[in-house]
Parts: sequence; structure tokens; C-alpha cells
Amino acid sequence: DAKTTQPNSMESNEEEPVHLPCNHSTISGTDYIHWYRQLPSQGPEYVIHGLTSNVNNRMASLAIAEDRKSSTLILHRATLRDAAVYYCIRSNAGNMLTFGGGTRLMVKP
Amino acid sequence: DSGVTQTPKHLITATGQRVTLRCSPRSGDLSVYWYQQSLDQGLQFLIQYYNGEERAKGNILERFSAQQFPDLHSELNLSSLELGDSALYFCASSVHGVAGVGEQYFGPGTRLTVT
Repeated sequence: DAKTTQPNSMESNEEEPVHLPCNHSTISGTDYIHWYRQLPSQGPEYVIHGLTSNVNNRMASLAIAEDRKSSTLILHRATLRDAAVYYCIRSNAGNMLTFGGGTRLMVKP
Repeated sequence: DSGVTQTPKHLITATGQRVTLRCSPRSGDLSVYWYQQSLDQGLQFLIQYYNGEERAKGNILERFSAQQFPDLHSELNLSSLELGDSALYFCASSVHGVAGVGEQYFGPGTRLTVT
């Protein structure tokens, strides 16, 4: 049961914005949307999470659709260091994070 | 640097052996989670401890066990090792006792190779 759907891979140019989509059409009203990323040879890194409203932090922005069936992680200016696998995860209180296949982001100089 | 430390970084051992992986959470974090990442299974949750007590169990084999000590560090014990146990083992910590509602901070992992 794939809780979220993400493209397998995306490409971006350095210093341009990147919009990483995630579909979670069966999301429940109390599910949070989490984004993590995993750089090569490193552990996953927390990026951002939200429930209903759009969220911003120093790393990224999370735009959540009004019906909450999809969301978009926005990296405002991609750098080479942003090349990683990005995981979109929906989770409820008490539920463990279930990592799917994620989106492999490639950043071209 | 997430603030979560794991030792050792690499471990090579033979089938049938037992190993212990260690994790120190970020200062102030009471929850520790263990994950296994293999090429064919992806990143899978194994077990969570909160303030010394087991809080949740995932896909953890009976040959594996964990504990969290009073100083909040945690150990994952893997016994009767099989070739298929070769993987990256990550520890994560969070301030929350309830998973799924906040951020987790992951350590650099321990790469286990069973020969």
C-alpha cells in the first residue's frame, strides 16, 4: 500500500528553484506530511513537515494543496549539495515513518 | 551534523555471530528509533524506545533486540547473523514520544557486512 506517490527522478539546474511533487490522495485529516532527504552515504535528514498550512523553514518550503491530497516541496535555489533522494511521507500520531522509493534529484551545474 | 552519534561506523563479521550497535541521541531527545536500510528493502523501521521503555515495534526479527539505558543511549543487538542482515543500520532521535508528528534526527549509520 503506497501511501504517497513521487516521481522516481527529477533534474534541476543549479541556482534555479525546484518543485518536488508528492501525491497522497488517501490522506486522513490527522496525517502529517513529512519530507526527508538522504544524501549519498549519509543518513536521512529532516527537511520539513506540515499538517494543513504551508510551511517555511531555512531549508525549504512546503506547499500543501487545499484538499491535502498533494503537496510540493520547494527548494528556492538548488545547489549541487541538494542532490539527494527526497522522501515524502505521510504519518499520523503513533505511526512510524514509512520511507518509500523517494525522488532522486539531480542538480546540474 | 545531526547530533546523533553511532558506533562503530563499519562492522564486518561472519555468519552466526552476534554484534552490538550503539547510538547516542541528541542532547535532550528522549526517543530513539532504529532503522535498517538494505538495497532490496529500502529504509525500514525496526523499533522505538522512549525514555527507557519500548514504545513501538516494526519489522524487527526475533534475532534482533534493543534497549535504551538510563543515560538514554541505545544499543541494537543482532544475533545469529545471516548474509541477508548485511545493511546500513541507522539510529534516529526525537524529542517527541509519539512518532509521526515531529522531526527525527538521524545518525550517520553503521554499515554491517556479514560474510
